[in-house]
Amino acid sequence: RKEVEQDPGPFNVPEGATVAFNCTYSNSASQSFFWYRQDCRKEPKLLMSVYSSGNEDGRFTAQLNRASQYISLLIRDSKLSDSATYLCVVGRSNTGKLIFGQGTTLQVKP
Amino acid sequence: EPEVTQTPSHQVTQMGQEVILRCVPISNHLYFYWYRQILGQKVEFLVSFYNNEISEKSEIFDDQFSVERPDGSNFTLKIRSTKLEDSAMYFCASIPGTRGNTGELFFGEGSRLTVL
Repeated sequence: RKEVEQDPGPFNVPEGATVAFNCTYSNSASQSFFWYRQDCRKEPKLLMSVYSSGNEDGRFTAQLNRASQYISLLIRDSKLSDSATYLCVVGRSNTGKLIFGQGTTLQVKP
Repeated sequence: EPEVTQTPSHQVTQMGQEVILRCVPISNHLYFYWYRQILGQKVEFLVSFYNNEISEKSEIFDDQFSVERPDGSNFTLKIRSTKLEDSAMYFCASIPGTRGNTGELFFGEGSRLTVL
């Protein structure tokens, strides 16, 4: 079983749509959770950390369910500039290695 | 804004040659990492480095690979005898010490290695 699993997509949505990505992780000892964004042939960049209480940053909402080992990302009012690959990332500590999922590709169309 | 810098941005080499990829992490950071991403695949952890020694390495990081922090600023990844399957984007990353650390990895722009 992969350590971090994501639906690779692609998700093709119109501008203004709401889209949700899901991710599962296999290691129950994981302690840190993130969504990163990666544009084509660029480095990953942190989108947001994910906390058990859930957190929101503008149009982006992330949720963590430790019991189900499940992480989600909701993007509201999609913009063309949201087109990218979204990486679910999990770690066991704040200094240890991070495990990346395969990524989910989002294409927002006009 | 301080950033992680990597050189070269792209290197083409012949199979069996040695390659050194260079990184300058953010100056006050203490933990350093190399990741790689084969085209179309996920980002994979190679090695982490702290206090002048390897703290963790993956199965990918075999005897052909080595890391070094020769002068307190550069952090290098050496591949001793490259294979075709080493072709990938190699990302260097760093994070601050434990105080104030959110776990966010600060990545460089990557070095693309092509092995012919």
